[in-house]
This record gives sequence, structure tokens and C-alpha cells, in this order.
Amino acid sequence: QKEVEQNSGPLSVPEGAIASLNCTYSDRGSQSFFWYRQYSGKSPELIMFIYSNGDKEDGRFTAQLNKASQYVSLLIRDSQPSDSATYLCAVTGSGSARQLTFGSGTQLTVLP
Amino acid sequence: DAGVTQSPTHLIKTRGQQVTLRCSPKSGHDTVSWYQQALGQGPQFIFQYYEEEERQRGNFPDRFSGHQFPNYSSELNVNALLLGDSALYLCASSSQGVETQYFGPGTRLLVL
Repeated sequence: QKEVEQNSGPLSVPEGAIASLNCTYSDRGSQSFFWYRQYSGKSPELIMFIYSNGDKEDGRFTAQLNKASQYVSLLIRDSQPSDSATYLCAVTGSGSARQLTFGSGTQLTVLP
Repeated sequence: DAGVTQSPTHLIKTRGQQVTLRCSPKSGHDTVSWYQQALGQGPQFIFQYYEEEERQRGNFPDRFSGHQFPNYSSELNVNALLLGDSALYLCASSSQGVETQYFGPGTRLLVL
């Protein structure tokens, strides 16, 4: 079983719709959860982080965390073509370095 | 505010050669982590440096080594290059005690 799994893509949504990206993780000791956006040929860019159960909103982005279900999600409201990218879910390990463990990513395409 | 910088941006080597990649962390950050990202995959943790010492290491062979300098910049060295080492190498910086990591633009290495 992979440590961090993301819903298989690619995912296509029309402009203005809500895009929903999901992620599950296996390490119950994980403390922090991150969403990175990666455009083709570029490096990952941090867009959201969440530490506590519940929802965290930042503009059009909402991160949701459920530690009991070991589940974290990202909602993108009013999706724009510029949101088209690969979205990477990452969780911190329980080691001293708190290294990030990433999923394989979900490729999102927002259709004009 | 200078972000994370990496050099070079691209590199082509042949099997068996050695390579050195460089990273300067974001201003105010003292911790550098290195990741390898193969095509179509999420980044994988190589190791982390703090206070000029390797703090934790991922599942990578000893051919991968690193160094951190007093000014917090870091180098990643890979010896005896294999074709499978072709990837995007990412440096991420953070502050000790803060789990959020910010990535540099990466170095794309091609091994022929």
C-alpha cells in the first residue's frame, strides 16, 4: 500500500465549476498536510497547508482534513483555466526531519 | 525577498560520471531538504540538512551525498550516475521547527 494515495486522474472540469481533489494517507502519526500545485515543467508551489481536523479556506481554495479517516481533500471553487496543473498532496513523516511524503499527483484540466 | 535558488537549471551527463547540484535557501531559512522527482511521479525525499549535518535520509543509496555550508546553502552530489538517476532534483528550504517547505525551481538532470 502506498503511503499517500491520490484520486486517479486526469480530472477535467468546466470553467466555473468546483474541482475536488482527494488524498488518503497510511501513517496515523502524520501531523501536517500540504497541497502543492505543479505546472508542467515547473517546480511544486505551496498553495495550502492544514494541521487540524476540519476545513481551512483561503480564497477559492478549501482544504479539508479528517484524521480519523486519514483523508485530506482540496476543493477549488470557480475553477479557472489557469488552475490547470498537477496537484500534489504531501504529508509530514513522524521522523525528526518531518520530511514530506508525496502522492503521485492528480492532473487537473479546467476547460474554458 | 529572495526565494530558493538552484543551479544549474539543466544538466546532461553520461553514465558513470559524477554531478554536483547547488541550492541556496530562502532568506531566513536554515534547513535544506533534497527531493528527486521522476517523470509522472511525486517528489521523493533524499535527505535533509540542518546545522551542516545530515539529519535524516530517505531510501537512496550512498551514491547520493550532500553537504551544507555555514551560510545554509547546500550541495547534492551523485556519483557513478545511472540512467535511472535522470529526474528533476528539487531543493526545499524551511526554518527549524516550521514544517512548511518551499521549493526551488529544480535542476533537470539527464543521464545518457
